[in-house]
Amino acid sequence: EVQLVESGGGLVQPGGSLRLSCAASGFTFSSHTMYWVRQAPGKGLEWVSVVTSSGGNTYYADSVKGRFTISRDNSKNTLYLQMNSLGAEDTAVYYCAMRQQVDHPLGCWGQGTLVTVSS
Amino acid sequence: DIVMTQSPDSLAVSLGERATINCKSSQSVLYSSNNKNYLAWYQQKPGQPPKVLIYWASARESGVPDRFSGSGSGTDFTLTISSLQAEDVAVYYCQQYYSSPRLTFGGGTRVEIK
Repeated sequence: EVQLVESGGGLVQPGGSLRLSCAASGFTFSSHTMYWVRQAPGKGLEWVSVVTSSGGNTYYADSVKGRFTISRDNSKNTLYLQMNSLGAEDTAVYYCAMRQQVDHPLGCWGQGTLVTVSS
Repeated sequence: DIVMTQSPDSLAVSLGERATINCKSSQSVLYSSNNKNYLAWYQQKPGQPPKVLIYWASARESGVPDRFSGSGSGTDFTLTISSLQAEDVAVYYCQQYYSSPRLTFGGGTRVEIK
């Protein structure tokens, strides 16, 4: 069974940093492009970042470019999101997600981890 | 970036009645090479991650009840729930994956029981 389990969320002060992790199991992690999507409280879904299967290519939403870094460790089946210079606007549930087939939408999601930026 | 605009923001429908949600993209999401629209619909219930209902604008994901259907092409799309059930109360999102790996979502439509 495909599983994605996020961790690392919590309360952080404005300007602080946090690293999220997403542990993957049940599939060949190294073959799949992986995504981070976030959702602010009571708001809609926002694509944050994506990393290709090898880790060689990364892409970011304009709202996080220069502050967030996506990476992966295929030997550990784990996806990461390093978040720096956090502001209140980054408060959200962060989901990792993947496409199980080429040319399909995000068919598999974790349960999410909540990041709260507040003093 | 492709902007996705959903309407309405919310709607209340009686049990057994039809619910219709619209989604418009700022540019076409139809790939001419395979004639497929790279448009998906998701359902999200409180406290849960989103779940894919429809992909390629009209293909139903395995296990999704046939009261859910998608239609449209190019820039204009519709999700229809033919006979609303209590378990369909949720927020519904459209998403384009034409510009993959960059994705964009619509703002969401909240469906409630009247």
